Amino acid sequence: GESVGLHLPTLSVQEGDNSIINCAYSNSASDYFIWYKQESGKGPQFIIDIRSNMDKRQGQRVTVLLNKTVKHLSLQIAATQPGDSAVYFCAFKRAGTASKLTFGTGTRLQVTL
Amino acid sequence: EPEVTQTPSHQVTQMGQEVILRCVPISNHLYFYWYRQILGQKVEFLVSFYNNEISEKSEIFDDQFSVERPDGSNFTLKIRSTKLEDSAMYFCARTGTSGAYEQYFGPGTRLTVT
Repeated sequence: GESVGLHLPTLSVQEGDNSIINCAYSNSASDYFIWYKQESGKGPQFIIDIRSNMDKRQGQRVTVLLNKTVKHLSLQIAATQPGDSAVYFCAFKRAGTASKLTFGTGTRLQVTL
Repeated sequence: EPEVTQTPSHQVTQMGQEVILRCVPISNHLYFYWYRQILGQKVEFLVSFYNNEISEKSEIFDDQFSVERPDGSNFTLKIRSTKLEDSAMYFCARTGTSGAYEQYFGPGTRLTVT
């Protein structure tokens, strides 16, 4: 079946350090992945996406890595800032359609000063 | 990417009452979605809506739920007879302007059923 899971429910990092949030998925038919950031009381905010024909994609201070062999996805945040504190969700769907997103359970990132 | 707006931001209702949650897209898109998030849990898909028809729905989306675009603009989610377990955040989402892949979420409506 389809499932998306996260290794760490809470990640605490110091300001300025790099953060790595991990996600595992089980359905090999998944070919499009998104990372969302959710702050308290708000909706999921799109961060970055990656398609299955790519291994890596970079944005502003964020990098997503995809390892299809082990069905693993990660989000790297460089120079983590207090404003990065939030819950991060990975989600996947099948590319090429407007089909539903399946979300992981979320990782809470806590940035300490 | 401009997101969608949702009203109300918070709705309190008694068990058994009907509620209508509204989503207003900023621009004209074809694909819309409703998701919900029970407090402390992950986001769950409810239904997708394409070209004024339901294209996919989850097991959660039973006969108590319905969606429509009554005036061609607003996108609504109706729960006919609310239950305590319907208490959650309800998010409307739309696809991006560059294609049908990424989805952008609204701020959500917090539904509290008492």
